[in-house]
Parts: sequence; C-alpha cells; structure tokens
Amino acid sequence: NAGVTQTPKFRILKIGQSMTLQCTQDMNHNYMYWYRQDPGMGLKLIYYSVGAGITDKGEVPNGYNVSRSTTEDFPLRLELAAPSQTSVYFCASSSTSGGNTGELFFGEGSRLTVL
Amino acid sequence: AQSVTQLGSHVSVSEGALVLLRCNYSSSVPPYLFWYVQYPNQGLQLLLKYTTGATLVKGINGFEAEFKKSETSFHLTKPSAHMSDAAEYFCAVSEGGGYQKVTFGIGTKLQVIP
Repeated sequence: NAGVTQTPKFRILKIGQSMTLQCTQDMNHNYMYWYRQDPGMGLKLIYYSVGAGITDKGEVPNGYNVSRSTTEDFPLRLELAAPSQTSVYFCASSSTSGGNTGELFFGEGSRLTVL
Repeated sequence: AQSVTQLGSHVSVSEGALVLLRCNYSSSVPPYLFWYVQYPNQGLQLLLKYTTGATLVKGINGFEAEFKKSETSFHLTKPSAHMSDAAEYFCAVSEGGGYQKVTFGIGTKLQVIP
C-alpha cells in the first residue's frame, strides 16, 4: 500500500522558473493538503482540497497554484520561483470516515531549493 | 481560532531517561489532538492521537500522552529514551468537522545522548 506519493524528492530551480510538485494518494481520501515546512516554523498550510474540483487557499498561498481533477491527484504548481519558496513541501491526505478527526497521512516530502 | 504551543524547540535527554515533550493548545470546541514524529529526511508519521474517551493515550514505540482539559495540555512522555527516538516531534490540534483544519506546533527536536 503506497499511501501518499510525492515527486520529485529533490529539485533545484533558478529564480523565475516554474515547476509542478506531484502528489498522488491511493487511500481514496477526500481531503488533500499541501504544507511547507521551514526550520523552526512548523508546518504551514498552502492549499487544500475537499474533493475533486474543489480547492481553497490556506495560510500561505501566494506564489502557488493547485488543481484537483481526480480524487487521487493534487499537484502543486510554483510559478516564477523565488528564493523565499526554498522549503520542504509535504502533501497529505485525510479521510472523512472514522470520526472525521483530521488525522493526516503524509508523503515523504519534496525538498526544493531556489537559487 | 485554534493554536498549539510547544515549549522547547530542542530537548536533550540521556539514553534511558524520561522523555517529556510539552504541548499546550487552545480550541473553541472539544479538540482532536495528535503527536507526529519526523525522522531525518522523512515525512511525518502519526505517533498517537486523542479523539474521545480515555484521556491517557498510548502510541507507537512506547510513547504515551495524557489529555488534560483543565490545563489545555497534551504532553508526550516515554519512560526510557532510546537512541532511535532522536527525531522531531510535532503536536497538532484539529477541530474536526467539514474542513478538518489542522494546526501544528513549531516542533521539538529530541536529542538522545548515549
């Protein structure tokens, strides 16, 4: 059982370039999330989705875009990369069954450096 | 609005000593509380969770946490630290419901000294 899979694991971008971080989950979870993790800052929510075709902004959405065309996939796009987007990005998913508690299942992360 | 405070961004303990990582939360409704662990260069994985019922919750690797509503706390403990416990630990709170907004603390890095 793969769970949440993110690609790529590492990437170096030049300022102004664009890229897409891929995320797919095989648990049939309705909710999916993108977080960024910076040292000493915990995790900050970038975007989330409550189902296919529905997305919304989190705490730090500027400079990012998402789409959710299927239940399984939730790609994160960075347009015009900036050094401030150097971070570790985590995709996560959660289920609305089992009490709807908000328990998150995480991917292994994508480490992005913008130079 | 919900929030989480983790006291101590770095904690060092000797191997075999008690591990105590502190977490206080605020929430406008009865919360769901979580501890996640992150090993170097890995994602976060669930250590334990409190949803309802028994306030003392047991998790993986010998960790446990107690939900104390009067103190708004959910501290993580382990009686005897092992070298393999060295990791970063995150406390998180959720109010459940339709959106399941989850708020994380800033994390506590645990160092285990041999």
